[in-house]
Amino acid sequence: AQTVTQSQPEMSVQEAETVTLSCTYDTSENNYYLFWYKQPPSRQMILVIRQEAYKQQNATENRFSVNFQKAAKSFSLKISDSQLGDTAMYFCASTTVRTSYGKLTFGQGTILTVHP
Amino acid sequence: NAGVTQTPKFQVLKTGQSMTLQCAQDMNHEYMSWYRQDPGMGLRLIHYSVGAGITDQGEVPNGYNVSRSTTEDFPLRLLSAAPSQTSVYFCASSNGGDYGYTFGSGTRLTVV
Repeated sequence: AQTVTQSQPEMSVQEAETVTLSCTYDTSENNYYLFWYKQPPSRQMILVIRQEAYKQQNATENRFSVNFQKAAKSFSLKISDSQLGDTAMYFCASTTVRTSYGKLTFGQGTILTVHP
Repeated sequence: NAGVTQTPKFQVLKTGQSMTLQCAQDMNHEYMSWYRQDPGMGLRLIHYSVGAGITDQGEVPNGYNVSRSTTEDFPLRLLSAAPSQTSVYFCASSNGGDYGYTFGSGTRLTVV
């Protein structure tokens, strides 16, 4: 079974600054995918960034990047140049390749507030 | 493309009533799943499907039923609603790999 843990229930950052959200996971699988999803007040789940466990290079999408430490089972999200529109709940999630693509395991979520 | 369409967006039920949450996707995705979101607990998997005619239980399946007769549709049935089923429900679909999952806009269900 997989588990995903987000130990920061809430975070805040000033506009234009950088913030890092933490995520740790546990799995016995060798090949898996990791994701960060954003959920703004609209409730819509939006995929922010994805990482395949076999890829050494950390994924980057514009202002969003990850620090993937496979041995430590850590998958943190860095948001650079924070904007007011980044205010949302952020979820870390994982899925394995071998068992099934039909299911994601989520962390508890981190509420991020960006202050002007 | 509409993506993943969930209906209704809001629903209030009385204890003991039954209802079906609808989910449809138009992306020809193989994999579909239902989650519930509760404060402090993230999203938890209720049921999932890896193709038409194939379903399996997730982490919290009790009180829910699913079927998948077509690739497009994956309805979630509440058999006899209980207050503990008050939650926000999300349907998602994927073609696997690192494409990620596309989510519907969610259904806020209140059972009184």
